[in-house]
Order: sequence, then structure tokens, then C-alpha cells
Amino acid sequence: EVYLVESGGGLVQPGGSLRLSCAASGFTFSSYWMTWVRQAPGKGLEWVANIKWDGGEKHYVDSVKGRFSISRDNAENSLFLQMNSLRVEDTAVYYCARDRTAPAHWGQGTLVTVSS
Amino acid sequence: AIQMTQSPSSLSASVGDRVTITCRASQGIGNGLGWFQQKPGKAPKLLIYSASTLQTGVPSRFSGSGSGTDFTLTITSLQPDDFATYYCLQDTTFPYTFGQGTKLEIK
Repeated sequence: EVYLVESGGGLVQPGGSLRLSCAASGFTFSSYWMTWVRQAPGKGLEWVANIKWDGGEKHYVDSVKGRFSISRDNAENSLFLQMNSLRVEDTAVYYCARDRTAPAHWGQGTLVTVSS
Repeated sequence: AIQMTQSPSSLSASVGDRVTITCRASQGIGNGLGWFQQKPGKAPKLLIYSASTLQTGVPSRFSGSGSGTDFTLTITSLQPDDFATYYCLQDTTFPYTFGQGTKLEIK
């Protein structure tokens, strides 16, 4: 069974940084694209970024370009999201998900709160 | 970025009803559309991918159709477990984009 477990969320001040992690198991991690999706409190889903199985291709939503960086460690079956210059509007539950297109497998999410 | 306009934003229906939710893309996306169901406090669940392919394990009362710019999710014979929020996602062109969601409530 596919398991995705996010960690690293928490409270951070505007302008600060945070690194999210997603530990994957139950499948051959190095064979799949991986995705980050977020959801602000009481709001809809927003696709954030994804990364090819070998890390050689990455895509971002415009609102995080230049601030967020997606990466992966296939040896450790882990996905990361480095978030810099955080803004209040980045407050959300961040989900990692498997697959390049409509993801079929999701983690439980980790909450990031950006507030002073 | 491609805009996904989902309608209605909310919908009241009764158990046993048939409901339809639509998504319109601001430009053609072929059949690159997925539908998700989300319940409060839970991760989204994939229902349909490639516009009309039912994800494994999803009940057959869910169906999807459309291509190009106009897509629909139909739920026949609503069950109590179906009351949730539904989202479409275009996965043809980066950045991928979700519709704003449709909250399906019990009448």
C-alpha cells in the first residue's frame, strides 16, 4: 500500500523559511513524479509544484516561483519543499501526492501557518 | 495559466438524486481533466482521470465526460457518503489548476 507522510509544518513569521518533507513507502519512489498541493483554511485546492522521477524537470505555480523549491532524494524515498520568503497568504495545509497528473495517492497534509 | 471555472459553487440535493457538476477551461485541454472528492479534514480522493476514466475502487454511480473546454461530473443515485466538496483539476498544461470547488449538501 502507498503511504505518504508529510512533516515539517509549523508556525513561521512572514519572511521566514520552512522545509517540508514527505516520506514515501509502498511503491518504487524513483519511478514516479511527485506533487505538492496546498489548501488555505476554508479555501479550495491549489496545485503548487511537481518534480519528475529523476529530479530533472520541475514546475511551479506562478505565486511561488523564485521562493519555493521542490526536490527529492530517491535514495531516501523522500520529497521536499523548501519554502523561503514566506507570506501570510502561504498559510495552508500542504499535501504531497504521487503522480504527474491527477494524483491518486495523497498524504494527510501538514499545516503551515505564516503569522507574526 | 489556464483558468478552470467550476459550477455550481454549491448544490443541495437529496439521497437518490442525480447531480451534475461542470468545469469549463479557459482554453482547450484535450481530455486532461480529473475529478476529486474531499471531505472535511481529509485529503482529496481521486474519482475520475483523463476526463472519463473511473479510478479503481470508485463506485460506478460516478461518471465523467467532456473534452476540450467543457467537462461534467455526474453522480447518479446520490448516497449519504457522497455529500462532500468536489474539485476538477486540469493536468494538461503547467501550472496545473483546480476549479474553485462545488460543495454538495443534503437538502
